Amino acid sequence: GIQVEQSPPDLILQEGANSTLRCNFSDSVNNLQWFHQNPWGQLINLFYIPSGTKQNGRLSATTVATERYSLLYISSSQTTDSGVYFCAVASGGSYIPTFGRGTSLIVHP
Amino acid sequence: DVKVTQSSRYLVKRTGEKVFLECVQDMDHENMFWYRQDPGLGLRLIYFSYDVKMKEKGDIPEGYSVSREKKERFSLILESASTNQTSMYLCASSPRSMNTEAFFGQGTRLTVV
Repeated sequence: GIQVEQSPPDLILQEGANSTLRCNFSDSVNNLQWFHQNPWGQLINLFYIPSGTKQNGRLSATTVATERYSLLYISSSQTTDSGVYFCAVASGGSYIPTFGRGTSLIVHP
Repeated sequence: DVKVTQSSRYLVKRTGEKVFLECVQDMDHENMFWYRQDPGLGLRLIYFSYDVKMKEKGDIPEGYSVSREKKERFSLILESASTNQTSMYLCASSPRSMNTEAFFGQGTRLTVV
């Protein structure tokens, strides 16, 4: 099956800093999502982005499908951005999300 | 808004008990999934269902079974709970199309003692 690698595994920032999270995948995808897992365990949908660029407030994402990677940008980070960020993809004829291991982000005040 | 609801946020069960985790979605989605999450391992697929009474094994089905008698409800069953099944369990649903989002419930933290 498709392999999904996220980097970095851990990230520690001061409030106000910017960051870039990366998701590499081993095959062409028809579906890619970014999620934020809050401290209570809930997975929050951030972006559905199998290709192209999207922005939502301080967050934006870009997927370059031909080069098999996606980037999540967080600008002017806040303590509430802390948590684990997951990339999930589906490829071929599948609709089943396959997850990377996540990036754990801590934002200090 | 899509809503996926898991019956419990926290559960503590004894070794050998039969455990039911329930998941209900309100958006008439065809696909439903059960994942478990363990530190450092991300989310791993246990079972999924693409229609009522249909089920397929995921990557780690051993020790689990599922039931989907109604479109909106997908149950995960631990036939005889063991300590290595202590984990976070997450349910998700999505429409039939490949090109759509999946939505997750709030998760159930299960501890088997």
